[in-house]
Amino acid sequence: EAQVTQNPRYLITVTGKKLTVTCSQNMNHEYMSWYRQDPGLGLRQIYYSMNVEVTDKGDVPEGYKVSRKEKRNFPLILESPSPNQTSLYFCASSLAGWGDSPLHFGNGTRLTVT
Amino acid sequence: KQEVTQIPAALSVPEGENLVLNCSFTDSAIYNLQWFRQDPGKGLTSLLLIQSSQREQTSGRLNASLDKSSGRSTLYIAASQPGDSATYLCAVEGKHKPGANSKLTFGKGITLSVRP
Repeated sequence: EAQVTQNPRYLITVTGKKLTVTCSQNMNHEYMSWYRQDPGLGLRQIYYSMNVEVTDKGDVPEGYKVSRKEKRNFPLILESPSPNQTSLYFCASSLAGWGDSPLHFGNGTRLTVT
Repeated sequence: KQEVTQIPAALSVPEGENLVLNCSFTDSAIYNLQWFRQDPGKGLTSLLLIQSSQREQTSGRLNASLDKSSGRSTLYIAASQPGDSATYLCAVEGKHKPGANSKLTFGKGITLSVRP
């Protein structure tokens, strides 16, 4: 089944403890992206990747890191999480990054930082 | 900077009603517009994608139209059902050259409730 898989689904952590949220897609998509969704603010892009080893900042990249060493994986790294990073995170992918194909989303990771 | 607006934020209709969800955007130089559905606690599911050269797309009971010049899109849902209850988001992708940076800008969504 074609899908975008995020792990974990739920994560509670403390301020400053490094964490990684994994994202993997099995559709051979070139484009991958991370979003956070907050009440009243909607979906905002954190980082995206047009292909392996090609990443760029979205609207709210501060406090996050990403890497794209393989086509299928695009992990989101929080080196020193803070409470304002408590949010619902989504990974997404599409065949190409310039709009020829729809965006496929994972089921989300709900992160709480205390 | 592109801004995408969806009004109203919530809508409640009786089952069987035909309805229209609106989306407006400030920069008409877009590459495409997508409509998504989000169920509570779940990710987004792509419903329809309209490229900038197209005027509309249809899938089953859904029809999406695009008017780039006026910065508007509508999602038409025919014969609504309780199973259509969800949040509907539109997103626009800024026009760019292949290989250059790509970014989607999302609206905040319209939460639809279809009453039996």
